[in-house]
Amino acid sequence: GAVVSQHPSRVICKSGTSVKIECRSLDFQATTMFWYRQFPKKSLMLMATSNEGSKATYEQGVEKDKFLINHASLTLSTLTVTSAHPEDSSFYICSAKKGAQETQYFGPGTRLLVL
Amino acid sequence: DQQVKQNSPSLSVQEGRISILNCDYTNSMFDYFLWYKKYPAEGPTFLISISSIKDKNEDGRFTVFLNKSAKHLSLHIVPSQPGDSAVYFCAASASKGGYQKVTFGTGTKLQVIP
Repeated sequence: GAVVSQHPSRVICKSGTSVKIECRSLDFQATTMFWYRQFPKKSLMLMATSNEGSKATYEQGVEKDKFLINHASLTLSTLTVTSAHPEDSSFYICSAKKGAQETQYFGPGTRLLVL
Repeated sequence: DQQVKQNSPSLSVQEGRISILNCDYTNSMFDYFLWYKKYPAEGPTFLISISSIKDKNEDGRFTVFLNKSAKHLSLHIVPSQPGDSAVYFCAASASKGGYQKVTFGTGTKLQVIP
């Protein structure tokens, strides 16, 4: 199997607070995890690539100080949205790769609403 | 710059018929292509993939065709079932500095009518 979980599934927070989203590969070790953001009626947009034990690689236009990514173990990556604002409200999805395999396995996503 | 395009935002097909979802790409460096299925408020689920060295890959009711000269791929679902109703994303991958970055299309919403 290749199961990826995310927690929380939904979070509502006040503007200015920070929110942490966890992504876990439950039955495999993921050397590489990815964080995506999906806007309404739009495609998945890659935010960053996270490799265990090293700094994340951010896509152009993504603020690394705003979206902190930590990949501390082979089964866990976290995305922290710092000082969240209403425009950060979105659906955040993580994915993980099994070793050198091309296929990414996606988590169920986290719906963030910033008031 | 949308490197992976799905020009049909939606598609309706009768149950039992064939569903054909199309995808075009512009980057000739893409060497691996994938199709994902996504239900609302859920993460995408991997369906089927194809390497650029092949032109067809089949898995049960799902077949992906790749036409490299036209930079076009398609997903065929036959026979279509109501449970296939979802948004389908085409994705393409290219080696980039050791990372396999995947670029997604905008998705096609498939509705299979019973």
